[in-house]
Amino acid sequence: ELKVEQNPLFLSMQEGKNYTIYCNYSTTSDRLYWYRQDPGKSLESLFVLLSNGAVKQEGRLMASLDTKARLSTLHITAAVHDLSATYFCAVARTSGSRLTFGEGTQLTVNP
Amino acid sequence: DTEVTQTPKHLVMGMTNKKSLKCEQHMGHRAMYWYKQKAKKPPELMFVYSYEKLSINESVPSRFSPECPNSSLLNLHLHALQPEDSALYLCASRYRPGLRRSEAFFGQGTRLTVV
Repeated sequence: ELKVEQNPLFLSMQEGKNYTIYCNYSTTSDRLYWYRQDPGKSLESLFVLLSNGAVKQEGRLMASLDTKARLSTLHITAAVHDLSATYFCAVARTSGSRLTFGEGTQLTVNP
Repeated sequence: DTEVTQTPKHLVMGMTNKKSLKCEQHMGHRAMYWYKQKAKKPPELMFVYSYEKLSINESVPSRFSPECPNSSLLNLHLHALQPEDSALYLCASRYRPGLRRSEAFFGQGTRLTVV
């Protein structure tokens, strides 16, 4: 069974600071996704990571994937209040359809 | 067009009602999903349709009945639900054949309340 673990589950940080969210998964995967969810809203796709060593950046967010360690990171640079949301990673097993989500990281950026 | 459209956005139904949720995409995606999400929890997979055939049913109670009439449409028929079925129901689609990137897009969800 594929298990996906995120940490931390809760993150309170000050504006301007940097931090990293970690996503570990238990079995071989060929796709890893990062999503953002605002309260009461749906999931917004942030990144799709398909290969070992993949790195993608959008604004203050950068995601990377290490398939050998079965680890993805979401790095936040110089956080701003607008980044406050819940961030999920999701993993699909190789050649599979099922997308398994981590528990989510609830990020609060304080002024 | 990178949209997955879900209707209705909100639904309140009694335990004896029958209602349906609808999901539509025109991205040529051949895999479509239903997820259920409770507050402050991750989405939980319910069903997967691949090429209009049901490929995954995560042991969902029969009061939830999925249907995929064609490659663009996905329905979820609801009957005799319980209050604990109240949740955000999310539809997603992915996999355009020949395109490896295979991003999964989610609809805006239907907020269901069972009274």
